[in-house]
Amino acid sequence: EPEVTQTPSHQVTQMGQEVILRCVPISNHLYFYWYRQILGQKVEFLVSFYNNEISEKSEIFDDQFSVERPDGSNFTLKIRSTKLEDSAMYFCASRKTGPTEAFFGQGTRLTVV
Amino acid sequence: GESVGLHLPTLSVQEGDNSIINCAYSNSASDYFIWYKQESGKGPQFIIDIRSNMDKRQGQRVTVLLNKTVKHLSLQIAATQPGDSAVYFCAVLEYGNKLVFGAGTILRVKS
Repeated sequence: EPEVTQTPSHQVTQMGQEVILRCVPISNHLYFYWYRQILGQKVEFLVSFYNNEISEKSEIFDDQFSVERPDGSNFTLKIRSTKLEDSAMYFCASRKTGPTEAFFGQGTRLTVV
Repeated sequence: GESVGLHLPTLSVQEGDNSIINCAYSNSASDYFIWYKQESGKGPQFIIDIRSNMDKRQGQRVTVLLNKTVKHLSLQIAATQPGDSAVYFCAVLEYGNKLVFGAGTILRVKS
């Protein structure tokens, strides 16, 4: 069964450093997402991506964040200068067009120290 | 923008009983709704969905009810099992493709 894969599963970084979280969405999906989940809290929308551009982004997704689809398979989230409050689980998701469910990866746990 | 919330943060049920998890949404234009289950340390997993032209949809042991008049969504789990213990989120697909999650309900099943 096709699945969304994310790497790494856990990343520890120093405050102020840049991190890149990687995702491989399901191959025939057209919409791609990043979400953030602070421990014990809700799943927060960060950004959606369609047709090689951002289609929606939240207030959380400020200038420190960027997304890229560098080739036909990978979808990345970059945080330029990490802050302590960026520590969270980051989930990638993808879905087909129309009213269809999004499939989620297993997440990357980011710890900023 | 969309605002989605849940009435009960934690629900404890006895094994074998039925569970009902509720969700309210604010955007009356929303037309697609999903329930996800999230187990500890894992990503959200699709359970069941419903479109706005329906008011009920059934799956295996799960039923989703949609009341558009009061903008309320519920998930019913029949004969709840220990493996159903997880956090349950409703999610709403806004116009375009923004999928917004509710706050989540922790379901605890007591044996």
